[in-house]
Amino acid sequence: DTGVSQNPRHKITKRGQNVTFRCDPISEHNRLYWYRQTLGQGPEFLTYFQNEAQLEKSRLLSDRFSAERPKGSFSTLEIQRTEQGDSAMYLCASSLISGGAEDTQYFGPGTRLTVL
Amino acid sequence: AQSVTQLDSQVPVFEEAPVELRCNYSSSVSVYLFWYVQYPNQGLQLLLKYLSGSTLVKGINGFEAEFNKSQTSFHLRKPSVHISDTAEYFCAVRKRGDYKLSFGAGTTVTVRA
Repeated sequence: DTGVSQNPRHKITKRGQNVTFRCDPISEHNRLYWYRQTLGQGPEFLTYFQNEAQLEKSRLLSDRFSAERPKGSFSTLEIQRTEQGDSAMYLCASSLISGGAEDTQYFGPGTRLTVL
Repeated sequence: AQSVTQLDSQVPVFEEAPVELRCNYSSSVSVYLFWYVQYPNQGLQLLLKYLSGSTLVKGINGFEAEFNKSQTSFHLRKPSVHISDTAEYFCAVRKRGDYKLSFGAGTTVTVRA
């Protein structure tokens, strides 16, 4: 078990550019989540997948954001036309749901985005 | 909707002293409760969780928390802290039957020698 991995760990970009982040969940985990954490705050839910299906998107996720999980394994989060307000830590988490109440989310190290 | 309030934004503490981090939540339905720790430049690591059963929950690294339904609280405690416990701690709730976590704003613990 190698845990949840995220790439890149850091990304600096200029306003207006597009960026894409990748998340590799723990193998066999069927749920994958994206959260955003701004300075001094706790993480906020953005979206989640069960297998390849995106089941919910937060109102925080504007039209410039898109997430995919094409084969039910890794996921990508793309931000188009970045704005300075997008600067944050983007966290990915995964969990295994198997019919019971147990659904502990395990987090990756995050991708820190800085928009200049 | 549920919300989480962490009552202390910063807690300075001396090494080997006890520490308590306070967390209150509000929810119209039953919830699961979690404490996560975040070390500098790292992701969140699960410390402990309350799903059901005994209201006193023991976690990793000597931490424990007690669920108090009447006071809607889930305070985290450690009887003797180490320098390595310096980190940010987040309380989180998840509504039963739901999947997303709602986090508090975090408590920064600084342990001094």
